[in-house]
Amino acid sequence: QVQLVESGGGVVQPGRSLRLSCAASGFTFSSYAMHWVRQAPGKGLEWVAVISYDGNTKYYADSVKGRFTISRDNSRDTLYLQMNSLRAEDTAVYYCARSPKLHNAFDIWGQGTMVTVSS
Amino acid sequence: DIQMTQSPATLSASVGDRVTITCRASQSISRWLAWYQLKPGKAPKLLIYEASSLESGVPSRFSGSGSGTEFTLTISSLQPDDFATYHCHQYNSYSPYTFGQGTKLEIK
Repeated sequence: QVQLVESGGGVVQPGRSLRLSCAASGFTFSSYAMHWVRQAPGKGLEWVAVISYDGNTKYYADSVKGRFTISRDNSRDTLYLQMNSLRAEDTAVYYCARSPKLHNAFDIWGQGTMVTVSS
Repeated sequence: DIQMTQSPATLSASVGDRVTITCRASQSISRWLAWYQLKPGKAPKLLIYEASSLESGVPSRFSGSGSGTEFTLTISSLQPDDFATYHCHQYNSYSPYTFGQGTKLEIK
């Protein structure tokens, strides 16, 4: 079935790096734009980044611009989020989600992976 | 950035009730609005897209309406499985996309 599975979360110290992965299955991954969305404890959803189906277009939230990098490997049906210079305020559940194109709702989401930034 | 203001933050209701959640955009987003259902430990679920289109597989008791800056999600007759948190999401401008702060639907 159509599925997204995130991995790579954990506890990391401020200033360190972490890479999240999102494995896709059950659909043609290379045909969809992909997003990262996060939810801090007790807060609402916050969009983080998007990458086009071919990887040529990327957009970031101001809160992560210059620190996070979104990428994809269409040969491996996998989405990535490289997170550098992590801060306490990056603590959240990170979800990957797909949309048929950049300008569209997110029709399939993963269950999320927790990232905790703490010393 | 387009701000999305969602209300109420919490809603207490009973099985069988009709409930409405509102989302207001800080500027016109045409009909580029979606609604999602979130439950702890589960993948968020798309309910409504383009303000009023029901996602495949979503029960017909869910409906959406609105355009421009005012939008509503209505559940016509609450079922036990509907007690969750609901978020609106504008995708008129993809730099950045923004969400409402969420409405927690609780059992009265």
